[in-house]
Amino acid sequence: DVKVTQSSRYLVKRTGEKVFLECVQDMDHENMFWYRQDPGLGLRLIYFSYDVKMKEKGDIPEGYSVSREKKERFSLILESASTNQTSMYLCASRGGGSWGNQPQHFGDGTRLSIL
Amino acid sequence: AQSVTQLDSQVPVFEEAPVELRCNYSSSVSVYLFWYVQYPNQGLQLLLKYLSGSTLVESINGFEAEFNKSQTSFHLRKPSVHISDTAEYFCAVSEDFGNEKLTFGTGTRLTIIP
Repeated sequence: DVKVTQSSRYLVKRTGEKVFLECVQDMDHENMFWYRQDPGLGLRLIYFSYDVKMKEKGDIPEGYSVSREKKERFSLILESASTNQTSMYLCASRGGGSWGNQPQHFGDGTRLSIL
Repeated sequence: AQSVTQLDSQVPVFEEAPVELRCNYSSSVSVYLFWYVQYPNQGLQLLLKYLSGSTLVESINGFEAEFNKSQTSFHLRKPSVHISDTAEYFCAVSEDFGNEKLTFGTGTRLTIIP
């Protein structure tokens, strides 16, 4: 079974801090994704990566960056955290390359609060 | 560009009653369709998927969804719900090839009333 592990379930940080959210998958998947989930807005894609060191912007990349130095690990970075980045963050991975018929597998999420 | 619409943000249903959660999509190319479920304080889990073949797909816990190409819909149904079905349900669509992204609907919160 695919396992996607997010390093923290809950995180509290202060405005202006640099915040790192880590995600690891154990299925050798090429594709990894970071979403944020807010009530009434569903899941919005922040960034995704289709290979090591490769990244593409999603729908809401402003204020975020990502890093993928190893295939199994995908990090989301909040360069200078702000209160409007308080949210649930979900990481996902998917195999199958560019074919869309493989489902995404999700971690349990990190609930991030910026004070 | 593809999009997904879940018309109902909240659906309350009595236990053992039937339920239908609606999902409509739009896309200019062939698509694959997914339903995910999110239980409280958890990530999303795949419930079922339509890739090709039979338009009716089923999950192991009694849900089913029917792909209707002419109406561009993929509604989720269950004939008799249980308290444990309380969760948020997300419909999602991906393109056939060349686009790694999934596009999600805004979710439907299913509440089961005892």
